[in-house]
Amino acid sequence: GESVGLHLPTLSVQEGDNSIINCAYSNSASDYFIWYKQESGKGPQFIIDIRSNMDKRQGQRVTVLLNKTVKHLSLQIAATQPGDSAVYFCAEASGGSNYKLTFGKGTLLTVNP
Amino acid sequence: ETGVTQTPRHLVMGMTNKKSLKCEQHLGHNAMYWYKQSAKKPLELMFVYNFKEQTENNSVPSRFSPECPNSSHLFLHLHTLQPEDSALYLCASSQVFGTTDTQYFGPGTRLTVL
Repeated sequence: GESVGLHLPTLSVQEGDNSIINCAYSNSASDYFIWYKQESGKGPQFIIDIRSNMDKRQGQRVTVLLNKTVKHLSLQIAATQPGDSAVYFCAEASGGSNYKLTFGKGTLLTVNP
Repeated sequence: ETGVTQTPRHLVMGMTNKKSLKCEQHLGHNAMYWYKQSAKKPLELMFVYNFKEQTENNSVPSRFSPECPNSSHLFLHLHTLQPEDSALYLCASSQVFGTTDTQYFGPGTRLTVL
């Protein structure tokens, strides 16, 4: 979930397990949400997005769930692999014709072989 | 590779130096962005150029000066920086600013200000 202090939240899972990473967003007017993955030494990489008229969207091994009532977003990764180890962060946007992304602080996912 | 390259990848500079960061995108996009990523903060948007015109300046100090000579190239000129400016500076591009077009990020320049 979102960082509440000076440290990134961390999630440690075993290879093959499913991972769930959470994000609490702040703006109730946000209508577009994205998950990014950032591996060490690299820039953020787009994973999946969802609009507010949906509550679930699936990609390859990933699912994003959106709960607008409690302003909560989650990323589920199925059969987590060592290559999934990275920092994951969500971003929200609103603005009609002037979308700008607001990023969360991220969660560090570590996959143990 | 994302199609967005940044140079240099690492930069160490003194507070009185002048240096420039370079970003190039090979995706045919029209919008380019500078972000700052500090260890204890979320990604912060600094500047946006859309069709070579600056459309966003998020109250960035004047010691950071962007330049966008064409839609493929973006520079960030640095002058008399402070140690707290040490961070990862990320460039991104998208088809057009202000839409939900995906932003593609470069690998970043790790800047250390002594």
